Amino acid sequence: NAGVTQTPKFRVLKTGQSMTLLCAQDMNHEYMYWYRQDPGMGLRLIHYSVGEGTTAKGEVPDGYNVSRLKKQNFLLGLESAAPSQTSVYFCASSYYGVGQPQHFGDGTRLSIL
Amino acid sequence: GENVEQHPSTLSVQEGDSAVIKCTYSDSASNYFPWYKQELGKGPQLIIDIRSNVGEKKDQRIAVTLNKTAKHFSLHITETQPEDSAVYFCAASNPEGSSNTGKLIFGQGTTLQVKP
Repeated sequence: NAGVTQTPKFRVLKTGQSMTLLCAQDMNHEYMYWYRQDPGMGLRLIHYSVGEGTTAKGEVPDGYNVSRLKKQNFLLGLESAAPSQTSVYFCASSYYGVGQPQHFGDGTRLSIL
Repeated sequence: GENVEQHPSTLSVQEGDSAVIKCTYSDSASNYFPWYKQELGKGPQLIIDIRSNVGEKKDQRIAVTLNKTAKHFSLHITETQPEDSAVYFCAASNPEGSSNTGKLIFGQGTTLQVKP
């Protein structure tokens, strides 16, 4: 059972380039989340989805877009990358909302030059 | 909105000693408090969680306590081992009325080093 799989694991971009991070889960979870992790700041929620076809903004959504066309996939897009978006990005999923454990992938390490 | 403060930021203990990490939260409506362990190069992994209707929960060498009045909760690790060395995060979540988004607000993390 793979759990939550993130692609790619590492990426280096130049300022202004675009890219999409892919998150896939095989646990039939309804809820999916994208976080970013920066030193000394814990994990901060970027966007989330409470079901196929739905998305909503988290704490730090600016500069990112998301899509949830299939229940098992949650895509995070950077339309015009900026150095401030250099971070480690984690995807998580849970069966439902409050009180349900969130299962995390192993992250995508993204550097913007 | 919710804010979670975590202390200490780093903690070094001798193998066999106990380790305690503390978190405070601001929103009295929060009712779910998980703890995650993150090893180098990996994603966070849930190690224990507690709900607001419970004051304490134990799982082998790990325990979590919750004080709703003071709005703080703590992670206790007894008989620490070198493999306990990692970054630990606390988090809080509340139902936000009926929206039930499950959003977690994380603390800043504690780097635990267990010296052999």
